[in-house]
Amino acid sequence: ETGVTQTPRHLVMGMTNKKSLKCEQHLGHNAMYWYKQSAKKPLELMFVYNFKEQTENNSVPSRFSPECPNSSHLFLHLHTLQPEDSALYLCASSQPGSGNEQFFGPGTRLTVL
Amino acid sequence: AQSVTQPDIHITVSEGASLELRCNYSYGATPYLFWYVQSPGQGLQLLLKYFSGDTLVQGIKGFEAEFKRSQSSFNLRKPSVHWSDAAEYFCAVVEGGFKTIFGAGTRLFVKA
Repeated sequence: ETGVTQTPRHLVMGMTNKKSLKCEQHLGHNAMYWYKQSAKKPLELMFVYNFKEQTENNSVPSRFSPECPNSSHLFLHLHTLQPEDSALYLCASSQPGSGNEQFFGPGTRLTVL
Repeated sequence: AQSVTQPDIHITVSEGASLELRCNYSYGATPYLFWYVQSPGQGLQLLLKYFSGDTLVQGIKGFEAEFKRSQSSFNLRKPSVHWSDAAEYFCAVVEGGFKTIFGAGTRLFVKA
């Protein structure tokens, strides 16, 4: 039990679909992150939220839209994705002032057809 | 720009043998350094971290790492590998604020 949960664990969607990934952390942290993990590539930071405010957008295409309604929940809304967006999407949280030690969820395996 | 290099894409060791995974970083100031492990189908789990002080840090599962400023390295070691250690290992450096830079990872295979 890592304290960070992600749903769904697996998702298959067509290029015209709209779906959302959900992340919830039970650790009382105030910073949350979305990462993309593709085969044979380093982990890519997508978005960072600190106290519900977005502090980092790492040049992510607009077909990915994050939402952070409170410090415990983070969403990634997906629309008109491309096959190259197929990857493992990882959510993480940390507590500001902790040196950015991050706690990760198990990820959502996304396949875009 | 800051970077993290893990020169070995994969390593195979025999069970019971010692292990060293290499990590080099590029960062101007004293970095915050981490090693994470990822088992198949799972997220990343923190093994150990270095912020300051003693350059030899101990982590979970019998792992340790040594920070060497002169070599810009933070290599991970374990004296005796168990089959359950087979996983992917990531070195990471905090660039500043909330941005963590991860290495590409080293896949560890353990043979009986």
